[in-house]
Amino acid sequence: EIVLTQSPGTLSLSPGERATLSCRASQSVPSSYLAWYQQKPGQAPRLVIYTASNRATGIPDRFSGSGSGTDFTLTINGLEPEDFAVYYCQQYVRSPHTFGQGTKLEIK
Amino acid sequence: QVLLKESGPGLVKPSQTLSLTCTISGGSISSDSYYWNWIRQLPGKGLEWIGYIYFSGSTYYNPSLESRIAISVDTSKRQFSLRLTSLTAADTAVYYCARSARDYYYAMDVWGQGTTVTVSS
Repeated sequence: EIVLTQSPGTLSLSPGERATLSCRASQSVPSSYLAWYQQKPGQAPRLVIYTASNRATGIPDRFSGSGSGTDFTLTINGLEPEDFAVYYCQQYVRSPHTFGQGTKLEIK
Repeated sequence: QVLLKESGPGLVKPSQTLSLTCTISGGSISSDSYYWNWIRQLPGKGLEWIGYIYFSGSTYYNPSLESRIAISVDTSKRQFSLRLTSLTAADTAVYYCARSARDYYYAMDVWGQGTTVTVSS
């Protein structure tokens, strides 16, 4: 099983700042099979980034993804109030498809 | 706009079997461009992938749950279903259905709103 470890667990920032979220895999993951999701309280997750670096439909360009192999990053530039949420990375190259434990992005 | 909606009992007794259905509206289930997932979220915890099914009926399950789960599809009703047996309190969770789309390299681009399942006597 590929274990995804996200850091930090909680990130406290102010609107307008840049957020950098990390996702580290226990085995190499092809970029094509790495996604990021955003989840707000009481809501289903929402696809933000697919293939490690492509934004899903409707996602603002302040969101960007990068990385390869075992290290992936989600960056949010100029945080807006609606960006504060929990973010999960997911790999689906190998069964079981696994998620990271999540990074909570909270308002400082 | 494609919408997914889960349905099923909110409360199930231990040792019983859970049956959930996901109904698709605004789109087709019968396409090789998609596969259809079940995911759950334990209380206050992260996400756990349960398994997925193609419209053809081919399935892939999480090995940790494989002995207790079955996912099926009914293309005529545009539904797919999850069956989870031998329930315990550890199966209490929000259960989501979601679509994986080829256009997104099979990331999950459409999710249902989720349905809360409590396992308790």
